Amino acid sequence: GAGVSQTPSNKVTEKGKYVELRCDPISGHTALYWYRQSLGQGPEFLIYFQGTGAADDSGLPNDRFFAVRPEGSVSTLKIQRTERGDSAVYLCASSLTAEMNTEAFFGQGTRLTVV
Amino acid sequence: DAKTTQPPSMDCAEGRAANLPCNHSTISGNEYVYWYRQIHSQGPQYIIHGLKNNETNEMASLIITEDRKSSTLILPHATLRDTAVYYCIVRRSGNMLTFGGGTRLMVKP
Repeated sequence: GAGVSQTPSNKVTEKGKYVELRCDPISGHTALYWYRQSLGQGPEFLIYFQGTGAADDSGLPNDRFFAVRPEGSVSTLKIQRTERGDSAVYLCASSLTAEMNTEAFFGQGTRLTVV
Repeated sequence: DAKTTQPPSMDCAEGRAANLPCNHSTISGNEYVYWYRQIHSQGPQYIIHGLKNNETNEMASLIITEDRKSSTLILPHATLRDTAVYYCIVRRSGNMLTFGGGTRLMVKP
């Protein structure tokens, strides 16, 4: 595809359930980022992949959050035992390389609502 | 990490230039200044980035002061579709983008 694709666009789940959010980066992009955005706030960094490995997961709020990128392309953000406070828009971005002068392109996000 | 300071909101008349300021006084020598914008309910959109020199592309111009402690994003002829939150970001050495509160630009007819 031409851009970063995230699925689903909306997800409603019950408190305590497990959810998976998918990100398809731009083809050939080696770096992939996950962010979370609460209403009225700027995006908050969660985790960054370079290839298949998580280069920095310092933004993950706790051990209920986990992300994988097994083949260096598609990534899945996994949230266990969801809580109402996890409700937010989850954004994914990718960039061609991990160099600082390479722009990152964002998807449209997945809006997660925990009820 | 280099922090950025932006005014929380600005207005601009349609057709006029929009000049959005950003202070980043603690920026390091090898850190880039990036600008993104976010239109309601959409993902952030890349606008432009620079290191030391002024930059221009089809969307905007970026003016960085000689001491690199501040920058200005210029939208030369603002339209109603430019209404958005604009984020000025200093890309830190860990390579991720750290967003602040941004400037909410309202373009008015």
